[in-house]
Amino acid sequence: DTEVTQTPKHLVMGMTNKKSLKCEQHMGHRAMYWYKQKAKKPPELMFVYSYEKLSINESVPSRFSPECPNSSLLNLHLHALQPEDSALYLCASSPRSGSDSPLHFGNGTRLTVT
Amino acid sequence: KQEVTQIPAALSVPEGENLVLNCSFTDSAIYNLQWFRQDPGKGLTSLLLIQSSQREQTSGRLNASLDKSSGRSTLYIAASQPGDSATYLCAVPSGGGADGLTFGKGTHLIIQP
Repeated sequence: DTEVTQTPKHLVMGMTNKKSLKCEQHMGHRAMYWYKQKAKKPPELMFVYSYEKLSINESVPSRFSPECPNSSLLNLHLHALQPEDSALYLCASSPRSGSDSPLHFGNGTRLTVT
Repeated sequence: KQEVTQIPAALSVPEGENLVLNCSFTDSAIYNLQWFRQDPGKGLTSLLLIQSSQREQTSGRLNASLDKSSGRSTLYIAASQPGDSATYLCAVPSGGGADGLTFGKGTHLIIQP
Protein backbone atom coordinates (compact mmCIF):
# COMPACT_ATOMS: atom_id res chain seq x y z
CA ASP A 1 0.00 0.00 0.00
CA THR A 2 1.21 3.47 -0.89
CA GLU A 3 1.84 5.93 1.91
CA VAL A 4 0.63 8.78 -0.29
CA THR A 5 -3.16 8.71 -0.58
CA GLN A 6 -5.00 10.33 -3.48
CA THR A 7 -8.75 10.86 -3.84
CA PRO A 8 -10.79 10.31 -5.84
CA LYS A 9 -9.35 7.40 -7.81
CA HIS A 10 -11.44 8.31 -10.84
CA LEU A 11 -13.11 11.56 -11.85
CA VAL A 12 -15.25 12.47 -14.85
CA MET A 13 -16.06 16.14 -15.28
CA GLY A 14 -17.49 18.45 -17.88
CA MET A 15 -15.65 21.46 -19.22
CA THR A 16 -17.74 23.84 -17.12
CA ASN A 17 -17.36 21.96 -13.84
CA LYS A 18 -15.20 22.82 -10.85
CA LYS A 19 -13.62 19.91 -9.02
CA SER A 20 -10.68 19.23 -6.73
CA LEU A 21 -8.13 16.46 -6.44
CA LYS A 22 -6.78 15.66 -2.99
CA CYS A 23 -3.52 14.19 -1.76
CA GLU A 24 -2.45 13.30 1.77
CA GLN A 25 0.72 11.94 3.37
CA HIS A 26 1.63 11.37 7.01
CA MET A 27 5.32 10.61 6.63
CA GLY A 28 6.38 14.05 7.82
CA HIS A 29 7.55 14.99 4.34
CA ARG A 30 7.91 18.69 3.68
CA ALA A 31 7.86 18.70 -0.12
CA MET A 32 4.86 17.71 -2.23
CA TYR A 33 4.43 17.50 -5.98
CA TRP A 34 1.79 17.25 -8.68
CA TYR A 35 2.64 15.36 -11.86
CA LYS A 36 0.54 14.83 -14.98
CA GLN A 37 0.84 11.64 -17.00
CA LYS A 38 -0.75 11.14 -20.40
CA ALA A 39 -1.24 7.63 -21.78
CA LYS A 40 2.01 5.88 -22.69
CA LYS A 41 4.05 8.94 -21.67
CA PRO A 42 6.28 9.58 -18.66
CA PRO A 43 5.04 11.78 -15.80
CA GLU A 44 5.61 15.51 -16.22
CA LEU A 45 6.07 17.90 -13.30
CA MET A 46 3.34 20.50 -12.75
CA PHE A 47 3.86 21.99 -9.28
CA VAL A 48 6.23 21.70 -6.33
CA TYR A 49 5.48 22.81 -2.79
CA SER A 50 8.24 23.10 -0.25
CA TYR A 51 7.29 23.84 3.36
CA GLU A 52 3.75 24.69 2.18
CA LYS A 53 5.01 27.32 -0.25
CA LEU A 54 4.81 27.00 -4.01
CA SER A 55 8.36 26.82 -5.23
CA ILE A 56 7.96 25.69 -8.82
CA ASN A 57 5.15 26.13 -11.34
CA GLU A 58 6.17 24.55 -14.61
CA SER A 59 4.16 27.04 -16.71
CA VAL A 60 0.91 25.19 -16.09
CA PRO A 61 -2.34 26.82 -17.36
CA SER A 62 -4.29 28.80 -14.77
CA ARG A 63 -7.24 26.38 -15.03
CA PHE A 64 -5.13 24.24 -12.67
CA SER A 65 -4.78 25.81 -9.23
CA PRO A 66 -2.74 24.09 -6.51
CA GLU A 67 -3.20 24.57 -2.80
CA CYS A 68 -1.20 23.29 0.17
CA PRO A 69 -3.25 23.87 3.35
CA ASN A 70 -0.63 22.20 5.55
CA SER A 71 2.42 19.98 5.29
CA SER A 72 0.30 16.81 5.00
CA LEU A 73 -2.25 17.92 2.43
CA LEU A 74 -2.09 18.97 -1.19
CA ASN A 75 -5.03 19.90 -3.39
CA LEU A 76 -5.36 20.56 -7.10
CA HIS A 77 -8.38 22.69 -8.01
CA LEU A 78 -9.73 22.24 -11.52
CA HIS A 79 -11.88 24.70 -13.46
CA ALA A 80 -12.84 25.03 -17.11
CA LEU A 81 -10.69 22.12 -18.20
CA GLN A 82 -10.33 20.92 -21.77
CA PRO A 83 -10.64 17.34 -23.08
CA GLU A 84 -6.87 17.29 -23.64
CA ASP A 85 -6.41 17.66 -19.87
CA SER A 86 -7.66 14.10 -19.45
CA ALA A 87 -4.78 12.20 -17.84
CA LEU A 88 -3.54 10.44 -14.73
CA TYR A 89 -2.68 13.02 -12.07
CA LEU A 90 -0.04 11.83 -9.65
CA CYS A 91 0.86 13.27 -6.28
CA ALA A 92 4.26 12.66 -4.73
CA SER A 93 6.07 13.66 -1.57
CA SER A 94 9.66 13.71 -0.38
CA PRO A 95 11.34 14.47 2.96
CA ARG A 96 12.44 17.83 1.56
CA SER A 97 12.76 19.52 -1.77
CA GLY A 98 16.03 19.19 -3.58
CA SER A 99 17.74 16.75 -5.86
CA ASP A 100 18.96 14.35 -3.17
CA SER A 101 15.56 13.42 -1.79
CA PRO A 102 13.65 10.33 -3.06
CA LEU A 103 10.04 10.71 -4.17
CA HIS A 104 7.11 8.61 -2.98
CA PHE A 105 4.11 8.52 -5.31
CA GLY A 106 0.41 7.94 -4.78
CA ASN A 107 -1.77 5.78 -7.02
CA GLY A 108 -3.09 8.77 -8.91
CA THR A 109 -6.45 10.16 -9.96
CA ARG A 110 -7.63 9.16 -13.42
CA LEU A 111 -9.30 12.31 -14.81
CA THR A 112 -11.58 12.33 -17.84
CA VAL A 113 -12.84 15.66 -19.18
CA THR A 114 -15.92 15.41 -21.41
CA LYS B 1 18.42 20.12 -19.74
CA GLN B 2 18.45 16.58 -18.39
CA GLU B 3 17.23 13.88 -20.79
CA VAL B 4 16.62 10.25 -19.93
CA THR B 5 16.46 7.41 -22.44
CA GLN B 6 15.34 3.86 -21.77
CA ILE B 7 16.06 0.87 -23.94
CA PRO B 8 14.27 -1.27 -24.96
CA ALA B 9 10.87 0.41 -25.18
CA ALA B 10 9.19 -2.98 -24.90
CA LEU B 11 10.31 -6.46 -23.99
CA SER B 12 8.52 -9.82 -23.93
CA VAL B 13 10.27 -12.88 -22.50
CA PRO B 14 9.30 -16.32 -21.17
CA GLU B 15 8.97 -16.81 -17.46
CA GLY B 16 12.18 -17.69 -15.63
CA GLU B 17 14.57 -15.66 -17.77
CA ASN B 18 16.98 -13.13 -16.39
CA LEU B 19 16.73 -9.76 -18.06
CA VAL B 20 18.33 -6.32 -18.15
CA LEU B 21 16.66 -2.94 -18.64
CA ASN B 22 18.81 0.01 -19.63
CA CYS B 23 18.65 3.69 -18.74
CA SER B 24 20.91 6.53 -19.85
CA PHE B 25 20.96 10.18 -18.86
CA THR B 26 22.69 13.20 -20.37
CA ASP B 27 23.76 15.18 -17.28
CA SER B 28 25.96 13.06 -15.03
CA ALA B 29 25.80 15.57 -12.14
CA ILE B 30 23.03 13.69 -10.36
CA TYR B 31 22.52 13.00 -6.66
CA ASN B 32 20.64 9.76 -7.19
CA LEU B 33 18.67 7.62 -9.62
CA GLN B 34 15.37 5.91 -8.97
CA TRP B 35 13.76 2.93 -10.66
CA PHE B 36 9.98 2.77 -10.52
CA ARG B 37 7.39 0.20 -11.50
CA GLN B 38 4.00 1.21 -12.89
CA ASP B 39 1.09 -1.16 -13.41
CA PRO B 40 -1.56 -0.17 -15.98
CA GLY B 41 -3.63 2.78 -14.77
CA LYS B 42 -1.82 2.87 -11.43
CA GLY B 43 0.67 5.11 -9.71
CA LEU B 44 4.41 4.62 -9.42
CA THR B 45 6.00 2.22 -6.98
CA SER B 46 9.61 2.97 -6.06
CA LEU B 47 11.75 -0.13 -6.55
CA LEU B 48 15.29 1.03 -5.91
CA LEU B 49 17.09 4.28 -5.17
CA ILE B 50 20.81 4.50 -5.87
CA GLN B 51 22.73 7.40 -4.39
CA SER B 52 25.46 8.91 -6.55
CA SER B 53 28.10 7.52 -4.19
CA GLN B 54 26.84 3.97 -4.69
CA ARG B 55 27.42 1.63 -7.60
CA GLU B 56 24.51 -0.70 -7.04
CA GLN B 57 21.48 -1.54 -4.93
CA THR B 58 19.69 -4.85 -4.48
CA SER B 59 16.16 -5.72 -3.43
CA GLY B 60 15.14 -9.35 -3.72
CA ARG B 61 15.39 -10.40 -7.36
CA LEU B 62 16.14 -6.84 -8.47
CA ASN B 63 19.58 -5.33 -8.80
CA ALA B 64 20.23 -1.83 -10.07
CA SER B 65 23.64 -0.50 -11.00
CA LEU B 66 24.79 3.05 -11.61
CA ASP B 67 27.75 4.27 -13.65
CA LYS B 68 27.50 7.98 -13.11
CA SER B 69 30.50 8.92 -15.22
CA SER B 70 29.08 7.26 -18.31
CA GLY B 71 25.52 8.32 -17.58
CA ARG B 72 24.09 4.81 -17.41
CA SER B 73 22.08 2.58 -15.14
CA THR B 74 20.80 -0.95 -15.53
CA LEU B 75 18.01 -2.81 -13.77
CA TYR B 76 18.61 -6.55 -13.60
CA ILE B 77 15.63 -8.81 -12.91
CA ALA B 78 16.49 -12.39 -11.99
CA ALA B 79 14.22 -15.39 -12.56
CA SER B 80 11.41 -13.30 -14.03
CA GLN B 81 7.79 -14.06 -13.11
CA PRO B 82 4.46 -13.12 -14.76
CA GLY B 83 3.83 -10.78 -11.82
CA ASP B 84 6.83 -8.74 -12.95
CA SER B 85 4.86 -7.62 -16.01
CA ALA B 86 4.61 -3.81 -15.82
CA THR B 87 6.23 -0.65 -17.14
CA TYR B 88 9.57 0.16 -15.57
CA LEU B 89 10.58 3.82 -15.37
CA CYS B 90 13.98 5.28 -14.66
CA ALA B 91 14.17 8.80 -13.19
CA VAL B 92 16.87 11.25 -12.17
CA PRO B 93 16.69 14.67 -10.54
CA SER B 94 16.00 17.31 -13.14
CA GLY B 95 19.03 19.32 -12.07
CA GLY B 96 20.07 22.80 -13.07
CA GLY B 97 18.54 24.13 -9.88
CA ALA B 98 15.16 22.63 -10.77
CA ASP B 99 13.28 20.38 -8.40
CA GLY B 100 11.47 17.17 -9.22
CA LEU B 101 12.43 14.26 -11.44
CA THR B 102 12.97 13.73 -15.15
CA PHE B 103 11.66 10.38 -16.30
CA GLY B 104 12.49 8.11 -19.18
CA LYS B 105 9.65 6.86 -21.35
CA GLY B 106 9.84 3.46 -19.69
CA THR B 107 10.26 -0.15 -20.71
CA HIS B 108 7.00 -2.08 -21.09
CA LEU B 109 7.79 -5.58 -19.86
CA ILE B 110 5.68 -8.69 -20.46
CA ILE B 111 6.62 -11.98 -18.85
CA GLN B 112 4.96 -14.89 -20.62
CA PRO B 113 3.73 -17.72 -18.37
